[in-house]
Amino acid sequence: GQQLNQSPQSMFIQEGEDVSMNCTSSSIFNTWLWYKQDPGEGPVLLIALYKAGELTSNGRLTAQFGITRKDSFLNISASIPSDVGIYFCAGHLTDSWGKLQFGAGTQVVVTP
Amino acid sequence: DTEVTQTPKHLVMGMTNKKSLKCEQHMGHRAMYWYKQKAKKPPELMFVYSYEKLSINESVPSRFSPECPNSSLLNLHLHALQPEDSALYLCASSRKTLTDTQYFGPGTRLTVL
Repeated sequence: GQQLNQSPQSMFIQEGEDVSMNCTSSSIFNTWLWYKQDPGEGPVLLIALYKAGELTSNGRLTAQFGITRKDSFLNISASIPSDVGIYFCAGHLTDSWGKLQFGAGTQVVVTP
Repeated sequence: DTEVTQTPKHLVMGMTNKKSLKCEQHMGHRAMYWYKQKAKKPPELMFVYSYEKLSINESVPSRFSPECPNSSLLNLHLHALQPEDSALYLCASSRKTLTDTQYFGPGTRLTVL
């Protein structure tokens, strides 16, 4: 079942605004991954995090691996129209046997 | 290069047809995965291959039959599917172990009539 709580479910923002979303769990994760998916396409890896406390940037994107290993956030600064899509957090539990746990996704809509 | 390719992009089939989905990666990855994804939902794991051997089958109906002919190729054979099997089918791969970062292909949009 769903072990990751991702919020918010959707966001409607204006171009130029910053976006923040997060994932939390009651379980401990070894990795946190953030993917973006456009309609009809596969998820594209944005940022991968491997250590508690790790803060990583990729252009306008910043993500952090929570110090308790039970949460992660993704920030998008100065949003642009092409940031539209569904963002999924995902991670490996300590005993996941290769099964990636996914959040339910955050749908981002950017208006000009 | 982190490219996983999938063919075909779209597939429409009847419930009595037999068809196959193909996935290919040339990154030297040794773990490959099939996922099923319904609209606006996260991907659901179906099968995992590790070093060309099936290591996880998530209780998928036998009308879905995976095959890993070599370390670069992964197939999903489809037979006697139901309309509820219509979905986006995603292939992914990871470097060595099943807990390495997974890279997804663009998917095959399957419609069962």
